[in-house]
Amino acid sequence: AQTVTQSQPEMSVQEAETVTLSCTYDTSENNYYLFWYKQPPSRQMILVIRQEAYKQQNATENRFSVNFQKAAKSFSLKISDSQLGDTAMYFCAFMKLGGSGAGSYQLTFGKGTKLSVIP
Amino acid sequence: DAGVIQSPRHEVTEMGQEVTLRCKPISGHNSLFWYRQTMMRGLELLIYFNNNVPIDDSGMPEDRFSAKMPNASFSTLKIQPSEPRDSAVYFCASSSRRSKNIQYFGAGTRLSVL
Repeated sequence: AQTVTQSQPEMSVQEAETVTLSCTYDTSENNYYLFWYKQPPSRQMILVIRQEAYKQQNATENRFSVNFQKAAKSFSLKISDSQLGDTAMYFCAFMKLGGSGAGSYQLTFGKGTKLSVIP
Repeated sequence: DAGVIQSPRHEVTEMGQEVTLRCKPISGHNSLFWYRQTMMRGLELLIYFNNNVPIDDSGMPEDRFSAKMPNASFSTLKIQPSEPRDSAVYFCASSSRRSKNIQYFGAGTRLSVL
């Protein structure tokens, strides 16, 4: 079974500054995806960014980028130029690929990091 | 596209009552997932369907929980009888290989069992 650990329950950042959220995972799989989801107070789960494990290049989406270290099983999220709308819970998630049996294609989530952007 | 649609948005019921949560996945998606979110346990998978067939229901907590997907456009999660410890937010998500297996979530149903 896979586990996902987010060691920072809460973080805060000044508006326009940069913040990095940490995530580590444990798996024996070689073929998987990693995700960051954002959950604002509205409760909606919103995809922020996705990383395919076979790709060495780190994924980027506008102000959001990841630092993917496969050997270390680390997947951190960097938010640049933080905005008030970035205030939310951020969840790191793991998806095993391959086959259609138990454990494949489902998301395993970390406990989340609550990010507050301070004006 | 309207996205994943869940109903109701909020449900308040009394212990012992039957509760049915509903989900309409994104058109063309062939995988559907039900998750539960609580403060204590975080987000956890209850069950998922592929092409309307249940693939993994190991997360369903008890026989009181059941899920169906009679067609590609509709799924239900039923709790009978409900208990206070079932109080949580229940999310439905859908995906497909064409969407690169990205799961798109509905707005969730907040269930309160009194």
